[in-house]
Amino acid sequence: GQNIDQPTEMTATEGAIVQINCTYQTSGFNGLFWYQQHAGEAPTFLSYNVLDGLEEKGRFSSFLSRSKGYSYLLLKELQMKDSASYLCAVKDSNYQLIWGAGTKLIIKP
Amino acid sequence: IAGITQAPTSQILAAGRRMTLRCTQDMRHNAMYWYRQDLGLGLRLIHYSNTAGTTGKGEVPDGYSVSRANTDDFPLTLASAVPSQTSVYFCASRQGAHTGELFFGEGSRLTVL
Repeated sequence: GQNIDQPTEMTATEGAIVQINCTYQTSGFNGLFWYQQHAGEAPTFLSYNVLDGLEEKGRFSSFLSRSKGYSYLLLKELQMKDSASYLCAVKDSNYQLIWGAGTKLIIKP
Repeated sequence: IAGITQAPTSQILAAGRRMTLRCTQDMRHNAMYWYRQDLGLGLRLIHYSNTAGTTGKGEVPDGYSVSRANTDDFPLTLASAVPSQTSVYFCASRQGAHTGELFFGEGSRLTVL
């Protein structure tokens, strides 16, 4: 079966750095997405990786290793507004997205 | 403002009733999707449409139907609602069936009693 694993919840301090991991086992791989979802709101796009390596976008970076079935989202200089759930999704061989359950990130002052 | 509009935003429904969740996008995206989101689970695909006039079944299609008469609209119908269909429903779209990121509507919270 297809499976995406993420930690259920993480806590970090304002101003610090946090890394959210995602491991996957899917039927084929055509890219990996990270989305941010604030409570009661819609998911919004953060990043997309299709090749191995690090993609940097401001305070957020995303890393992919296809051989290890592994990605992480790195958030720097954490702000209170970063408190949200972070969703990892893999595009499989049929180009459908398989979603992880999401990681709830709690930022403390 | 371009985007996806869902209606209603929230609804309480008696079991056995018929319900249609509406979804409209103005981005001229070809592909549209309906997901349900339940606590502790990832988004699960109900139905999808790669282009106007075509639809397909996702991971959890039972009890739901969709239509895609034109590019902009993609309604989701529950023919006879059951309590297990209590969930938050998200409509989403992207430029092509294989390309681009998903854009989501604000969600429809449905409670079936």
